[in-house]
Amino acid sequence: DTEVTQTPKHLVMGMTNKKSLKCEQHMGHRAMYWYKQKAKKPPELMFVYSYEKLSINESVPSRFSPECPNSSLLNLHLHALQPEDSALYLCASSQTAYEQYFGPGTRLTVT
Amino acid sequence: GQNIDQPTEMTATEGAIVQINCTYQTSGFNGLFWYQQHAGEAPTFLSYNVLDGLEEKGRFSSFLSRSKGYSYLLLKELQMKDSASYLCAVRAPGGGATNKLIFGTGTLLAVQP
Repeated sequence: DTEVTQTPKHLVMGMTNKKSLKCEQHMGHRAMYWYKQKAKKPPELMFVYSYEKLSINESVPSRFSPECPNSSLLNLHLHALQPEDSALYLCASSQTAYEQYFGPGTRLTVT
Repeated sequence: GQNIDQPTEMTATEGAIVQINCTYQTSGFNGLFWYQQHAGEAPTFLSYNVLDGLEEKGRFSSFLSRSKGYSYLLLKELQMKDSASYLCAVRAPGGGATNKLIFGTGTLLAVQP
């Protein structure tokens, strides 16, 4: 199984809502990532977890809160988002330095 | 600073060969990745170069020159399904098994019949 799954595929939320994005992988990878991708732009790294500990936070606003409950799961909790946070949110995982597997993404729209 | 440049768009003909260039100036280098991304889909891994030279994988080849800060992705026998964005990404040093990737702006390739 070389798959990273993400739910939901699409999410529409208001600026006062609280929602969560979920990511799961069963490849035994010890590093997991959240990226944000705006239309026609490359992915931008947000967070990296290594062995279930947050190792990189790319100065992401606190309205985005990551969580890694176990080695297979990665969540991104969203609260009080702004319309400019609308984007494709990609999860990825890696075991070695040589590859990084991406999930299909969650298309988020903030109204 | 971090600067990774790729052409914004390219057009090529089915069956032909196309070369997509990537130049980088980054504070540290620990390998270069190429990813393919179809519209609305996740990036998929194509290749990884950490040493100078050419890596070949079927119809796709990737080249790296660390002294020149330069890489290219070569696609042979182009097919319509190769129409996609191609992303060059530099791996920042350190981090062990974690990959801090810095992506270029991406090249949108259109393959025409």
